[in-house]
Amino acid sequence: DTEVTQTPKHLVMGMTNKKSLKCEQHMGHRAMYWYKQKAKKPPELMFVYSYEKLSINESVPSRFSPECPNSSLLNLHLHALQPEDSALYLCASSQDMSSGYTFGSGTRLTVV
Amino acid sequence: AQSVTQPDIHITVSEGASLELRCNYSYGATPYLFWYVQSPGQGLQLLLKYFSGDTLVQGIKGFEAEFKRSQSSFNLRKPSVHWSDAAEYFCAVGAWNYGQNFVFGPGTRLSVLP
Repeated sequence: DTEVTQTPKHLVMGMTNKKSLKCEQHMGHRAMYWYKQKAKKPPELMFVYSYEKLSINESVPSRFSPECPNSSLLNLHLHALQPEDSALYLCASSQDMSSGYTFGSGTRLTVV
Repeated sequence: AQSVTQPDIHITVSEGASLELRCNYSYGATPYLFWYVQSPGQGLQLLLKYFSGDTLVQGIKGFEAEFKRSQSSFNLRKPSVHWSDAAEYFCAVGAWNYGQNFVFGPGTRLSVLP
């Protein structure tokens, strides 16, 4: 299995909702990432988990809460989001620097 | 700090023409360099990578890139473009900021004319 699987593919949520994005990989990669991508922009790093521990948090608002239950799973919990949080949320994993990332196809999030 | 620039925001080429997308980086050590491609609404796919050895690297879909240390460049090339190559292309450099992560350039959008 050489894929990163993200669910759901599309999500519409109200500003008072709580939802979660899920990411799964079975390649044995020990680093997993959440990125946010706005239209016509490069991905922006949000969080990095290395060996299931949060190693980088790029000053992301607390309405985004990451969780890494085990080495194969990564969640992003969403609460009280704003319309400007609408974006493509990408999950990625990597084994080491030399191998690069494997990206999922993303979750298209719309906050209404 | 590491940084990546892609001077061309948008490039249009005719199908069958050759292609070169430019990438320049700033990094204090030997960099890990990557090119990714993204089709609309999709995730990013790794085209090729370089971190040592032969400075001309081959990737998927007929792409190649050349690392030039003296110019801090890692340009992507393809001898004959296909309509399906129309997409956004991102250059990236591997970085260590309290953990491994990758810094992306701003991207170059490629349009292909029939």
